[in-house]
Order: sequence, then structure tokens, then C-alpha cells
Amino acid sequence: EAGVAQSPRYKIIEKRQSVAFWCNPISGHATLYWYQQILGQGPKLLIQFQNNGVVDDSQLPKDRFSAERLKGVDSTLKIQPAKLEDSAVYLCASSLDRARGQETQYFGPGTRLLVL
Amino acid sequence: GENVEQHPSTLSVQEGDSAVIKCTYSDSASNYFPWYKQELGKGPQLIIDIRSNVGEKKDQRIAVTLNKTAKHFSLHITETQPEDSAVYFCAAPFYNTDKLIFGTGTRLQVFP
Repeated sequence: EAGVAQSPRYKIIEKRQSVAFWCNPISGHATLYWYQQILGQGPKLLIQFQNNGVVDDSQLPKDRFSAERLKGVDSTLKIQPAKLEDSAVYLCASSLDRARGQETQYFGPGTRLLVL
Repeated sequence: GENVEQHPSTLSVQEGDSAVIKCTYSDSASNYFPWYKQELGKGPQLIIDIRSNVGEKKDQRIAVTLNKTAKHFSLHITETQPEDSAVYFCAAPFYNTDKLIFGTGTRLQVFP
């Protein structure tokens, strides 16, 4: 079974530029999560989707971050404009179906973002 | 809100020794506690999890214990090997949801 796929793996941009990350979850997984992991810290949830609907985006800085999962499969996370403090690893995870208690989360390799 | 504390932040052991990492949580309703291993440059990988209806779970050299009364759970690795070297994270759900709150991580180093 293929795991969670993410691209790009690395991205370097200057502040005030925009950037987008892509995630393809494990096939059949209804729930998708985006996390931000700052160096030396644990992952912090940014947004959670159930199919193509948002379940929780309370920690998403909505003035600059946006995310979508239009067809309930792939997802993109965008930052516009980027700030220095956005430098982090952005992790995507998926689980089979949170609504049915199948909540084990499987993570992708992450996208390492450096904002200069 | 839910708070997860993890100790120690770093742990160095000799190959073959045991390692123990402890976490405490604040929400007494939490019922699912996963442990993740993160190697350099990779995403977190689930290594073991436990639900609140059991007090201990074991998988080969890895075990997790849960004390619901004290609201803490621990990861035990026996017969450590150099390939166990990584950062380990515990997590607990946020108030009976599947939103996970992660601990701050423990960097484990196993010396040959």
C-alpha cells in the first residue's frame, strides 16, 4: 500500500512570496490533515478535512494560509505572503475515517520550507 | 485546552539497555494515545498506540503503558539498537476528538 505522498520535498523562497504544497493521501482515506512542525517541536495541526469538508481550521492563520481538498482526495496548502516565521516542515497525514473511529494517522515525508 | 508534556527531552543509552519516555496529559476523557518515531528528514511513523480500555500493549521490543488515574503513559524500548536512534513523540486527542496534541519530543541516542 502506497503511503502519503507530498511534493515538493524542499522549497526555498523569499519573504512575501507565495508557495504551495501538495498532498496525496493513502487511497481510500477520508480524513486528511495538514500540520506545521517547527524545528525542535512536535507537529501542530493547521487544518483537518473530512472528504472535501473542513472539520477544524482553528489553528490556520487565515490571513495568509489557505487549503483546499476539492474532490475529497488530493489537497493543497498555500501560503501567501510568506513570513520568516513560516519556515518549518509542513506535514500531511491521513486516516481512514475519523467518523467511524478509525483515527490512526499516517504521515507523509513532509515539505521543508525555508523563508529568507 | 489539552496539554501534553513529554520527558525527557534527550536520552542517551548504551546499545542493549532499555529506554523509557514518559508523557502526561490533561483531559481525563482522552482515550487514544499513539507514539510516533521521526528519523532525520522523514515524517513521523506510528510505532505503537494504546486505547484507554487497556493498561499495557506490547509489540516485540516496544511496549506502552497507560495509567488513566494519574493521566500518564509511557513508551518502553528494551534491548535498544543503534537504529532506534530518532526523535519520539507522544500524542493525545484534544477533548474527545481525533485532533492530536503532540508532546515536545524526546531525542533518543543509542550508542554502540
